[in-house]
Amino acid sequence: NAGVTQTPKFQVLKTGQSMTLQCAQDMNHNSMYWYRQDPGMGLRLIYYSASEGTTDKGEVPNGYNVSRLNKREFSLRLESAAPSQTSVYFCASSSTGYNQPQHFGDGTRLSIL
Amino acid sequence: SQQGEEDPQALSIQEGENATMNCSYKTSINNLQWYRQNSGRGLVHLILIRSNEREKHSGRLRVTLDTSKKSSSLLITASRAADTASYFCATDQRGFQKLVFGTGTRLLVSP
Repeated sequence: NAGVTQTPKFQVLKTGQSMTLQCAQDMNHNSMYWYRQDPGMGLRLIYYSASEGTTDKGEVPNGYNVSRLNKREFSLRLESAAPSQTSVYFCASSSTGYNQPQHFGDGTRLSIL
Repeated sequence: SQQGEEDPQALSIQEGENATMNCSYKTSINNLQWYRQNSGRGLVHLILIRSNEREKHSGRLRVTLDTSKKSSSLLITASRAADTASYFCATDQRGFQKLVFGTGTRLLVSP
């Protein structure tokens, strides 16, 4: 019973490099989300996907792109990494409908030098 | 921008004591949720309270919601060392699950 799986768990990049963070869920959820968590702050929504084939911007989308590959997988891409994108990235999923809890992966810790 | 502000930022108690954390938010909501985050791990959903509910219980957890004051509290009774974690409130303004998280309360429960 894996839930939400994120890969990789850790990554170090140089400024300007590109990177794709992978996320997969096995709970048959329609909705998936990408958040970032910075020290002293709560999570901030980057992008979300309400269903397969749809994506929409969250609070902090600049510098990121996403792909909802299928119902299970939702990837986050940094095209040209910047030090300000150093953060812990969390993927989450939930069932469709009101008042549904979100289920989180364990995060990807990304450092950009 | 952060919707929720939690108070206190950090809380240190002994096992067996109760822990109370507060969350204030700025705009009307559809529901408010509480999550726990253990060090180095993802968030785990604890409890969801709808805007038309005033109190909800789950095991040792009690959540209250006061929409007139735009505030919520999480009470953990009879705390255990395993409750040591950060606790976050998150608000869902329109029911579309675009959660806005608070800054969190770090709880330390000492044996």
